[in-house]
Amino acid sequence: DGGITQSPKYLFRKEGQNVTLSCEQNLNHDAMYWYRQDPGQGLRLIYYSQIVNDFQKGDIAEGYSVSREKKESFPLTVTSAQKNPTAFYLCASRIRAENTEAFFGQGTRLTVV
Amino acid sequence: KQEVTQIPAALSVPEGENLVLNCSFTDSAIYNLQWFRQDPGKGLTSLLLIQSSQREQTSGRLNASLDKSSGRSTLYIAASQPGDSATYLCAVRGNFNKFYFGSGTKLNVKP
Repeated sequence: DGGITQSPKYLFRKEGQNVTLSCEQNLNHDAMYWYRQDPGQGLRLIYYSQIVNDFQKGDIAEGYSVSREKKESFPLTVTSAQKNPTAFYLCASRIRAENTEAFFGQGTRLTVV
Repeated sequence: KQEVTQIPAALSVPEGENLVLNCSFTDSAIYNLQWFRQDPGKGLTSLLLIQSSQREQTSGRLNASLDKSSGRSTLYIAASQPGDSATYLCAVRGNFNKFYFGSGTKLNVKP
C-alpha cells in the first residue's frame, strides 16, 4: 500500500522546545517537500529536497531544519527559533522528472502550548 | 516571484449546479499546473494535472483547462454533489521543482 505517511497527526510544543515532524514515503520518489499552511493562506514552501543528502531552503526556512539521509524519509525539525510555529504542516513527494504530479501526506497539526 | 490567485475565496451552490473555479498566475513560465482537493484537517488529494503543453484534462465530472499565455486555469465541476464540498487548491510548478499555491476556493454544495 504505497503512500506518504506523516506522524504524528497532532503535536504540542512548549515554548523553547524543538520538535521533529516525520515524513516517510514508499513511492520511491526522489523529491520531497515540506509546506506550512495557515488559515486563509496558501501553502508556503519551507524546505525541499531533490535527492538524498541534498536539500534547499524554500520561502520560509527560518526557524526550521531538515535532513535527507534516506530516500524515503524527510524529517522536519521546528526549532525554538521559529517564533510562530502553530500551523498545519504538509509533506509532499514526487518523481524528480519534470512532468509528474505531487502527492501529499495527511498533515501534522502543530500547536504551541 | 510567481503569485497564484484563486477567485472566489468561497462559493456556495445548490446541488446539481455546474460551477467553475478560477486560478490565475503571474509568470507563464510553468511546467505544469495541478488541481487539488482538501477536506478539513486533511492533506491534499490530487485531482488533475495539466502539462504546460496541454489545454485541458478531464476526470469524471471534472474538467480543467489551462491558458498558459494568459496565466489562467479553470476547474469545471459538472452536476455538483454535497460530497464535492471541500477546499480546492491550484498549484503551478516553476523552476527548480518548486510549487506555488493559491489560497484556495472553499466550496459548499447544499443538498
